[in-house]
Amino acid sequence: EVQLVESGGGLVQPGGSLRLSCAASGFTFSSYWMNWVRQAPGKRLEWVATIKQDGSEKYYVDSVMGRFIISRDNARNSLFLQMNSLRAEDTAVYYCARGPDYQLPNNWFDSWGQGTLVTVSS
Amino acid sequence: DIVMTQSPDSLAVSLGERATINCKSSQTVLYSSNNHNYLAWYQQKPGQPPKLLIYWASTRESGIPDRFSGSGSGTDFTLTISSLQAEDVAVYYCQQYYSTSYTFGQGTKLEIK
Repeated sequence: EVQLVESGGGLVQPGGSLRLSCAASGFTFSSYWMNWVRQAPGKRLEWVATIKQDGSEKYYVDSVMGRFIISRDNARNSLFLQMNSLRAEDTAVYYCARGPDYQLPNNWFDSWGQGTLVTVSS
Repeated sequence: DIVMTQSPDSLAVSLGERATINCKSSQTVLYSSNNHNYLAWYQQKPGQPPKLLIYWASTRESGIPDRFSGSGSGTDFTLTISSLQAEDVAVYYCQQYYSTSYTFGQGTKLEIK
């Protein structure tokens, strides 16, 4: 069974940093694109970042470009999101989501974690 | 970015009746070289993460009941629930993956009439 478990969320002041982690199990992690998707309270889903199987390609939504960094450790079956210069508008539940196992960078999300809440407030 | 717009924003349907949700993209999500529409549908119940229902606009994810179906091409798509069950109450989202800046619709809230 595919399992994705996020951790690392919490309350942080504007301008601060946070590192999210996602522990994956139940599938060959190194074969899949991986993603972060967020959802602000009462809002639509918003894709945040994507990383290719070997980490050679990364994509970001414009609003986090230069502030967030997606990475992965295939030996530890883990996905990460380093979030810097956080803003109030980054407040959301952050989901780890699995993409496809092919080579094209066109991802739908077939498995999701339960999410971790990030609150940016003073 | 490709803007995804769903209609209606909310919908109330009687048990056993058909529910239809529409999704329109601001530009085509049909890749002509492979004739695939880069469009997915998700179901999200309160307090839960989204669940994939449909990808490639009409391919049902494994384990999804066949009362869920997807149709459409180019810029106009539809999710149909053929016979509404109580457990189908949720918010439904479409998502395009034609562009690597993936975008979602605003969601359609489905309730029982």
